[in-house]
Amino acid sequence: NAGVTQTPKFRILKIGQSMTLQCTQDMNHNYMYWYRQDPGMGLKLIYYSVGAGITDKGEVPNGYNVSRSTTEDFPLRLELAAPSQTSVYFCASSYSGVPPADTQYFGPGTRLTVL
Amino acid sequence: AQTVTQSQPEMSVQEAETVTLSCTYDTSESDYYLFWYKQPPSRQMILVIRQEAYKQQNATENRFSVNFQKAAKSFSLKISDSQLGDAAMYFCAVLCSGAGSYQLTFGKGTKLSVIP
Repeated sequence: NAGVTQTPKFRILKIGQSMTLQCTQDMNHNYMYWYRQDPGMGLKLIYYSVGAGITDKGEVPNGYNVSRSTTEDFPLRLELAAPSQTSVYFCASSYSGVPPADTQYFGPGTRLTVL
Repeated sequence: AQTVTQSQPEMSVQEAETVTLSCTYDTSESDYYLFWYKQPPSRQMILVIRQEAYKQQNATENRFSVNFQKAAKSFSLKISDSQLGDAAMYFCAVLCSGAGSYQLTFGKGTKLSVIP
């Protein structure tokens, strides 16, 4: 049981490039989340999904897109990378949004730098 | 909008001693949940403890306990018998979720150092 996995671990992008951050969970969790963590700050929710085919915006969705075609995968897409998107990105999952099953399990993070 | 404030950017504690990390929050919801997460140098976020706002009894998990003061909107974390492995960033968070909405807000974190 690998839990939540993210790829890549590190990435450097040039301004205007695009990329997809991959996230996969093998716990059969319905809910999945994407966060970003800027230096010295807490996590901010970008997007979340309550199940396959359903996604919704979080606190800071601008500049990102997501899709959820399967229960396991929740990729995050950056279309036109900007320096403001330099951050560490965390994917997480939970069985439901209702306690106590809403405990979130986090992946190891992706460190993204946009130059 | 809900907010979470951790007023202590850094704290230190002697090994085997007790330390308390502060957290205050603000939300307009009456039903919400509170969390403390630990982030070690590996960067992975690990749930330490949770508290349902409707429960008056303070949550405990082994050496970790909270002091939940709902009226004061305060949610502090006490770590007893501190161990070297407790050194990490600690984040307080509040969650409000309901029909069609999900709002999870984190504080800026407190860096805890444990002195041998």
